Amino acid sequence: SYVLTQSPSVSVAPGQTAKITCGGNNIGSKSVHWYQQKPGQAPVVVVYDDSDRPSGIPERFSGSNSGNTATLTISRVEAGDEADYYCQVWDSWVVFGGGTKLTVL
Amino acid sequence: EVQLVQSGAEVKKPGESLRISCKGSGYSFSNYWISWVRQMPGKGLEWMGRIDPSDSYSNYSPSFQGHVTISGDKSITTAYLQWSSLKASDTAMYFCARARSGDWFDLWGQGTVVTVSS
Repeated sequence: SYVLTQSPSVSVAPGQTAKITCGGNNIGSKSVHWYQQKPGQAPVVVVYDDSDRPSGIPERFSGSNSGNTATLTISRVEAGDEADYYCQVWDSWVVFGGGTKLTVL
Repeated sequence: EVQLVQSGAEVKKPGESLRISCKGSGYSFSNYWISWVRQMPGKGLEWMGRIDPSDSYSNYSPSFQGHVTISGDKSITTAYLQWSSLKASDTAMYFCARARSGDWFDLWGQGTVVTVSS
């Protein structure tokens, strides 16, 4: 079955740029979606179809996907961005990455 | 308001049965697949399966096939997740989510905590 690999944690100072990666075999051929989950809350989609943003999501959130790696980039990181982030694709069924905890220093 | 509202927390004993629900409102319920996602304590998201409310067709992740049943009633815009015999390892938070374009989730329920303990 298809596997998505995420680094367990990423740390960044406020105002800097965070890059969260999601690795998968030829993931560039798939549509990748990204979710933010804060403690005790349901996930919220922040990027879908590799690089599209739902209404209400700040432009600071952007996505890219090529080759074997998809990337969620958060520019000008704020304290409120601290959360777990999950990538997701469809490969016969829904597959989630293991999640990355973003810590804002 | 467009929303998915899930049933409340449950505490059950091993071997008991359980059905939790997810009620959609504010949109055309039959037009969007509903998925169920498990999150065990301190762990990540796991997709369990989904249902097409228009005809109640469902399919499952191989990891959950045979362990749970997903059903629905479009007349009351509600999807269900049920177990016939719970195990302690079913202790988790369960989310329902609405799928867009078939495979990404734009709307989530608030989650239902299921605790299975003797």
